Amino acid sequence: GAVVSQHPSWVICKSGTSVKIECRSLDFQATTMFWYRQFPKQSLMLMATSNEGSKATYEQGVEKDKFLINHASLTLSTLTVTSAHPEDSSFYICSAQAGHSYEQYFGPGTRLTVT
Amino acid sequence: SQQGEEDPQALSIQEGENATMNCSYKTSINNLQWYRQNSGRGLVHLILIRSNEREKHSGRLRVTLDTSKKSSSLLITASRAADTASYFCATDLYGNNRLAFGKGNQVVVIP
Repeated sequence: GAVVSQHPSWVICKSGTSVKIECRSLDFQATTMFWYRQFPKQSLMLMATSNEGSKATYEQGVEKDKFLINHASLTLSTLTVTSAHPEDSSFYICSAQAGHSYEQYFGPGTRLTVT
Repeated sequence: SQQGEEDPQALSIQEGENATMNCSYKTSINNLQWYRQNSGRGLVHLILIRSNEREKHSGRLRVTLDTSKKSSSLLITASRAADTASYFCATDLYGNNRLAFGKGNQVVVIP
């Protein structure tokens, strides 16, 4: 149980285009989902917190207009990287939290490469 | 400063040996968690230790927490090649379970 999927697992896009990444909790309802990015050989950096039915909360320094987050249902959150640039190339990981549990279940990540 | 900073060196050990890694943090915490990440993959939750706990075991894992020193350690006993991964500690630095991850320790277990 407690499986989180991400789609796509990797994507290559051209500079200036937008890319949507999906995060799904497959066997539980996720009241809260989190989005992280990770640069090579570095740690995870929290980007935003996504709550179903409400606006996402972005961490300091994260551009909300560039990284659009939608949490339309209890099992799906999406991250759209708008007008992507090469510096947006990174590993994007989501996690999902069920109820008020501390434990977060992580997706396998999405590798984004912007050319 | 970054919360949850592990000692930065990578570990390379022989199968069967124990691996120990440390994590320090700077502010008060409710709990501290350890995660494992295999190369290019998502994270797997290993163990959570609450601030009122000093030690916790899960299989071959042992975690200690010293709130007076604001540090935690993760011990993997009788390591296996499959334990090769990066290990991160994380704290609820920002509240509401918004985790701050440490830099991570890469562990290589040589068969």
